[in-house]
Amino acid sequence: AQTVTQSQPEMSVQEAETVTLSCTYDTSESDYYLFWYKQPPSRQMILVIRQEAYKQQNATENRFSVNFQKAAKSFSLKISDSQLGDAAMYFCAYRGYGKLTFGQGTILTVHP
Amino acid sequence: GAVVSQHPSWVICKSGTSVKIECRSLDFQATTMFWYRQFPKQSLMLMATSNEGSKATYEQGVEKDKFLINHASLTLSTLTVTSAHPEDSSFYICSARGGLGRLVPRYNEQFFGPGTRLTVL
Repeated sequence: AQTVTQSQPEMSVQEAETVTLSCTYDTSESDYYLFWYKQPPSRQMILVIRQEAYKQQNATENRFSVNFQKAAKSFSLKISDSQLGDAAMYFCAYRGYGKLTFGQGTILTVHP
Repeated sequence: GAVVSQHPSWVICKSGTSVKIECRSLDFQATTMFWYRQFPKQSLMLMATSNEGSKATYEQGVEKDKFLINHASLTLSTLTVTSAHPEDSSFYICSARGGLGRLVPRYNEQFFGPGTRLTVL
């Protein structure tokens, strides 16, 4: 079974600074997708960024980028120029041939 | 983007009663819908997966007689919590995935509803 591990229960960052959230996963599948979701206080799940495993290029969405290390099974999220609105719980997720599997989540606090 | 709605957004009920939560895909046909449960500051726990017109597949440990799931159409799934008890109080989130209709979600992406907060007194 696939597992997703987020080893940072909580992280904090100063506004305008950069923060990196860690995620590792375990799988024997060769084709899969990786995602980062944001869950703000409203609790609506919002897709931040996705990465297809077959793509070597790291995905980027505005201030959000990933560092995808397939051999190491690592998928970290970098948030640049952090904003107060980035404060949320962030979930790393994996999807191969089966269901979407979530990590434990990382609570991100942004200090003004 | 694709929109998934849930109704109600919150509900309070007495112990022993049943509660129905609706999940709708508003602008695409959801061939598969998922129901999750989430406790405060914890991850989403998949309860069951349903495909339109067929019985739901429940995750291990989830009582299918207690959490009834119906996916009668390509745009509607319902979760009924039967004989609810205080320990059923939680945040329930539905998610939809599809590929048919006016809008084809990319990468078979799952779209999430806003969630329903259930409180059982």
